[in-house]
Amino acid sequence: AQSVTQLDSQVPVFEEAPVELRCNYSSSVSVYLFWYVQYPNQGLQLLLKYLSGSTLVKGINGFEAEFNKSQTSFHLRKPSVHISDTAEYFCAVSALTGANNLFFGTGTRLTVIP
Amino acid sequence: ETGVTQSPTHLIKTRGQQVTLRCSSQSGHNTVSWYQQALGQGPQFIFQYYREEENGRGNFPPRFSGLQFPNYSSELNVNALELDDSALYLCASSQDIHNEQFFGPGTRLTVL
Repeated sequence: AQSVTQLDSQVPVFEEAPVELRCNYSSSVSVYLFWYVQYPNQGLQLLLKYLSGSTLVKGINGFEAEFNKSQTSFHLRKPSVHISDTAEYFCAVSALTGANNLFFGTGTRLTVIP
Repeated sequence: ETGVTQSPTHLIKTRGQQVTLRCSSQSGHNTVSWYQQALGQGPQFIFQYYREEENGRGNFPPRFSGLQFPNYSSELNVNALELDDSALYLCASSQDIHNEQFFGPGTRLTVL
């Protein structure tokens, strides 16, 4: 089975400052890794994903994440945040085989302060 | 290209009732997954349908059931509703089992 831990439930950050949202996972099998964003009263939008290859993954809206296999981490970063980045962010994993179900963390609420 | 759509947007039911939620998958997608997102939590996998067959199920009781139709749209049925079933129900479709999942806006179910 897989599990995901998002270490920070809330992260406040000033506009134009950098941000890192932390994610650690546990799995007995190889997994794919994802970050999703959820704006109020909306569904989930994929920010980026790691399937294989380069451990530094670039996504939409200027976000990037780095896969660290030894630390089983997949932290999300952005060098300069905007007000519009205020949202809930979810880290997720899925196994390489079997049903493609996603296991999600509990989410990190990013609040960008003007 | 139309994305994933879900209906209804909001729903209020009372304990013991039954509910059906609907999902239209994105064009060209044959796989649909359902997730339950309780308030303040991450989504939890309920089950997945691939080409009209159930292809995996999470830790949910049998009163949660589903269907996928020949056009790959899907229904989630919940019988004997409980207060803890109050949540946002998300549907996601993908081109195949191991392709990226695209999420709909969800159905907010409130059980009183």
